[in-house]
Amino acid sequence: EVQLVESGGGLVQPGGSLRLSCAASGFTFSSYDMHWVRQATGKGLEWVSGIGTAGDTYYPGSVKGRFTISREDAKNLLYLQMNSLRAGDSAVYYCARRVRGGYFLDYWGQGTLVTVSS
Amino acid sequence: NFMLTQPHSVSESPGKTVTISCTGSSGSIAANYVQWYQQRPGSAPTTVIYEDNQRPSGVPDRFSGSIDSSSNSASLTISGLKTEDEADYYCHSFDTSNWVFGGGTKLTVL
Repeated sequence: EVQLVESGGGLVQPGGSLRLSCAASGFTFSSYDMHWVRQATGKGLEWVSGIGTAGDTYYPGSVKGRFTISREDAKNLLYLQMNSLRAGDSAVYYCARRVRGGYFLDYWGQGTLVTVSS
Repeated sequence: NFMLTQPHSVSESPGKTVTISCTGSSGSIAANYVQWYQQRPGSAPTTVIYEDNQRPSGVPDRFSGSIDSSSNSASLTISGLKTEDEADYYCHSFDTSNWVFGGGTKLTVL
């Protein structure tokens, strides 16, 4: 059974840093592109970053230069290093698997809550 | 920046058919695949349509997707509405290497 379990969320002050982790199981992690998607309370989905199987990374302008996605295939772990956090970064952060050879996210974790506040 | 615009909310009665639109801000929405995700309260999203009009296994054929190039929009149609279809629905597509989500549409089945 495919499982994605996020961790590392919490309360952080503006300007601070946080590293999220996503533990994957039930599939060959190294063979899949992975993504982070966030959702502020009561708001819509926002793509945050993606990483290919070769380690190529992608970010939207809103987080580029502040967030870094990475992966550790030997441990089946996906990471999101978030620096220079702002109140607008407060959200539930989901990790999600991109279907092989396709263009959608077929499995999602349950999310981890990040709150940026003083 | 490429954007996808959805109606904020729609409502319809059980057994009826509803269509949710997703309009691209620029370029051709037909140039890249469109996906639709369903999100029930307190849960992670799940895919109901991928690659414009394909249904993942387990999604009933009451759900269908289409593209209208003339209006640069995609549509999700749900027929034979059930109360369990009440949820938020998000369209999703691409712009170069950016993944873009629509703002979401709250479907109320009443």
